[in-house]
Amino acid sequence: KQEVTQIPAALSVPEGENLVLNCSFTDSAIYNLQWFRQDPGKGLTSLLLIQSSQREQTSGRLNASLDKSSGRSTLYIAASQPGDSATYLCAVKGDNNNDMRFGAGTRLTVKP
Amino acid sequence: SAVISQKPSRDICQRGTSLTIQCQVDSQVTMMFWYRQQPGQSLTLIATANQGSEATYESGFVIDKFPISRPNLTFSTLTVSNMSPEDSSIYLCSVTSGGGYGYTFGSGTRLTVV
Repeated sequence: KQEVTQIPAALSVPEGENLVLNCSFTDSAIYNLQWFRQDPGKGLTSLLLIQSSQREQTSGRLNASLDKSSGRSTLYIAASQPGDSATYLCAVKGDNNNDMRFGAGTRLTVKP
Repeated sequence: SAVISQKPSRDICQRGTSLTIQCQVDSQVTMMFWYRQQPGQSLTLIATANQGSEATYESGFVIDKFPISRPNLTFSTLTVSNMSPEDSSIYLCSVTSGGGYGYTFGSGTRLTVV
């Protein structure tokens, strides 16, 4: 059964810092990996989708990488802003199932 | 990507009652899923809503407690039955067109059972 782990569980940084969130998964037979953002009490907003054949995806200040063989993905946020404060969730879709398995998330606080 | 309308956005319910959550998608989608997010936790898959057949439930979730309907390719409902305070969670529906497409989520239903 796929297990998804995110480190750290929580992170607090001053505004302007670059930061990295980590995601690891136990079964490398994945179809794709998706990073989401969740604001308190709200639904999920998709940030980046990486197919298993891709190494990275970029959107604005966000860059996500994927190393399928080692079961790892990172989300890099450049020049962080207070508006980036949220919980970031990593989710993987396996080759043999249609649903996504989620990590517990990293709760990010960016201080002005 | 698809746009999902999920209702209600929140509700406070008495124990022993039931609540039905609706998920409406602006386009036909192959797969719809229902997730639960308990306070401070990540998302757990409840079931896959199949069009034209019964939903497929994950371990720990049963149809009597969480009946699901999917009458067509754009709509699904999840009912939380005979609620107890332990059912207080955010419930989210999710859709995908399958294959390499990503997943889109509704805005969630925040349920509090008192």
